[in-house]
Amino acid sequence: DGGITQSPKYLFRKEGQNVTLSCEQNLNHDAMYWYRQDPGQGLRLIYYSQIVNDFQKGDIAEGYSVSREKKESFPLTVTSAQKNPTAFYLCASVADRGRINQPQHFGDGTRLSIL
Amino acid sequence: AQSVAQPEDQVNVAEGNPLTVKCTYSVSGNPYLFWYVQYPNRGLQFLLKYITGDNLVKGSYGFEAEFNKSQTSFHLKKPSALVSDSALYFCAVRDITRGSTLGRLYFGRGTQLTVWP
Repeated sequence: DGGITQSPKYLFRKEGQNVTLSCEQNLNHDAMYWYRQDPGQGLRLIYYSQIVNDFQKGDIAEGYSVSREKKESFPLTVTSAQKNPTAFYLCASVADRGRINQPQHFGDGTRLSIL
Repeated sequence: AQSVAQPEDQVNVAEGNPLTVKCTYSVSGNPYLFWYVQYPNRGLQFLLKYITGDNLVKGSYGFEAEFNKSQTSFHLKKPSALVSDSALYFCAVRDITRGSTLGRLYFGRGTQLTVWP
C-alpha cells in the first residue's frame, strides 16, 4: 500500500542535541510538508518542498532544517537552537503541484519530548 | 492572505443526533476547501473537499459539508452522530495564488468533537 512513513514514533532530545525525524513516501508525490502540532494551536507549517533539491521556509522555520535529496524523502532536523521542541510533528505530501485540487496525505507523526 | 477559522474548540452531541462543526474562511480568489479528521496520536485523514460545483459535498464515513459563498463558510455535518466520530476535526484552505506558496494548506485550530452514548 502506498503511504507516508514517519519514524520514530517517539523521540527524546537532550539539551544541546540535534535530532532528525524521518519522512518517507512511496506515493510518487512531488510536494512534501512538515507541520508542528501543539494543543489548541492547530497545525503550523515548518518547511515545505515542491521539488527535489528545493525547499521553502514555512511560518515557524527557526530552529529547524530540512533536506530534499530524493523525491521520496524529506527529513527534518530539530536543532539545539529550537528552544521549545516538544510537540507532535507531522509530515505530509501531495501529488504534482499542478493538481492543486488533491488532498494532502499525512503520516502518523513523531512525538518529540525533551529529556 | 488565506486563513481559516473554527469558532468552536469543542462540540458535544449525543449519539444519533445531527452534528455540525463550523468553519469560515478568507481567501483571495476561489476557495479550495478541505476537512480532515485526526484520532489520538495519529496523522490527519482526509474527509472531503470542495473545489467547484454543488454546494453540498459528500465525503467519507457519512460526513458532508455545505459550502456557502455569501457567508464564506464550509460547515461539516452528519445527520446521525456515532460515538466513533469522536475526534479532532480540522478545516483547511489551499493557497492557489501564484508563487512559491502555491499548494500549501492553511489550517484552522481544530474542533474537538465528542459524541456521548
